[in-house]
Amino acid sequence: DAGVTQSPTHLIKTRGQHVTLRCSPISGHKSVSWYQQVLGQGPQFIFQYYEKEERGRGNFPDRFSARQFPNYSSELNVNALLLGDSALYLCASSWGGQGGTEAFFGQGTRLTVV
Amino acid sequence: RKEVEQDPGPFNVPEGATVAFNCTYSNSASQSFFWYRQDCRKEPKLLMSVYSSGNEDGRFTAQLNRASQYISLLIRDSKLSDSATYLCVVNYGYYSGAGSYQLTFGKGTKLSVIP
Repeated sequence: DAGVTQSPTHLIKTRGQHVTLRCSPISGHKSVSWYQQVLGQGPQFIFQYYEKEERGRGNFPDRFSARQFPNYSSELNVNALLLGDSALYLCASSWGGQGGTEAFFGQGTRLTVV
Repeated sequence: RKEVEQDPGPFNVPEGATVAFNCTYSNSASQSFFWYRQDCRKEPKLLMSVYSSGNEDGRFTAQLNRASQYISLLIRDSKLSDSATYLCVVNYGYYSGAGSYQLTFGKGTKLSVIP
């Protein structure tokens, strides 16, 4: 079975632009979460969606938004990009929306803002 | 105070050594606990869940002390392939019909196993 897939794998954007990152969870998984990992730090929680509803939001500005589609895939959108948004963006899927079930991560999208 | 704090590292150990990682968390309402492993420029992968009773998987042993809000990971007989960054992870989500799943990661401790 395919794991969590993210696209694109690498992306270079200019300050002020917007970006859309995509994630397809493992088949049968209904929960998708997004994380930002800057160099030298652990991943930081951005959003969680379960059954197309937002279940959690981390401490990120409103420039960050996300949604989940009926097929459980998800998009993360970032507007008005800043240099500090340069990071590895990770998507994680799990079967349920509750803690305790394993979260599987995609390979990430490496975003560089210049 | 940071929510999840780990040993700063890095740890450089010879093959065959035993190495211990320590982690503390600040939110006593935390529900579940994990150790993830992350190789350079790769995604994190679950190494093991951590339970109050302690759990062991081969050369790896994890312990949780809820009273002290402390988590540990012990690696015995280190292999070159154990070289990676080890991330202590806590889930602050809650168990209910509308559960949430929000992992909080420590900064990670880098381990280098030397021949």
